[in-house]
Amino acid sequence: SQTIHQWPATLVQPVGSPLSLECTVEGTSNPNLYWYRQAAGRGLQLLFYSVGIGQISSEVPQNLSASRPQDRQFILSSKKLLLSDSGFYLCAWSLGQINTEAFFGQGTRLTVV
Amino acid sequence: GENVEQHPSTLSVQEGDSAVIKCTYSDSASNYFPWYKQELGKGPQLIIDIRSNVGEKKDQRIAVTLNKTAKHFSLHITETQPEDSAVYFCAASGGQLTFGSGTQLTVLP
Repeated sequence: SQTIHQWPATLVQPVGSPLSLECTVEGTSNPNLYWYRQAAGRGLQLLFYSVGIGQISSEVPQNLSASRPQDRQFILSSKKLLLSDSGFYLCAWSLGQINTEAFFGQGTRLTVV
Repeated sequence: GENVEQHPSTLSVQEGDSAVIKCTYSDSASNYFPWYKQELGKGPQLIIDIRSNVGEKKDQRIAVTLNKTAKHFSLHITETQPEDSAVYFCAASGGQLTFGSGTQLTVLP
């Protein structure tokens, strides 16, 4: 069966420090991969999605970037964190871009101080 | 692009009562409508979904209805239990999923 792993679960980082969040999927090949951010009390905002290795689409201008170095690995990064980057970051995967279920990881709670 | 509105933002019901959450969408090309349940500190979990060629779908105590003409869809939970307490998200997709803002459901014992 397919599983998605996301780490770390919680992270406290100072303003101006770098960020690297990692997500891996097991049990499937060539998944579509997504990074979402969820601000407190808000919905899910799509940040990046990828349909293949090295292919990244950005939905919203951010202080963040994403990379997909391997088929089942998706990384969210920042060179210098801002206070506004605090939130709950969720990785997700699906087997198709259109009209298919998306499955989420457990999320990373990022607090920028 | 797609815009999904979800109401209410908070909902409290007594255990055993029914709960209804409603969503509207803007893009008539959307044809896939999933619902997710998110427990505190966890990622959202898919609980039920419906596609545009179906008007209603049931899974035990959970049902979803879709009105494509009016561009709205609803989640119905019957015989609510305390473990149903969570945040529920609707979403619509004609390509990428667009999520509603969520409903905090509290089932009071």
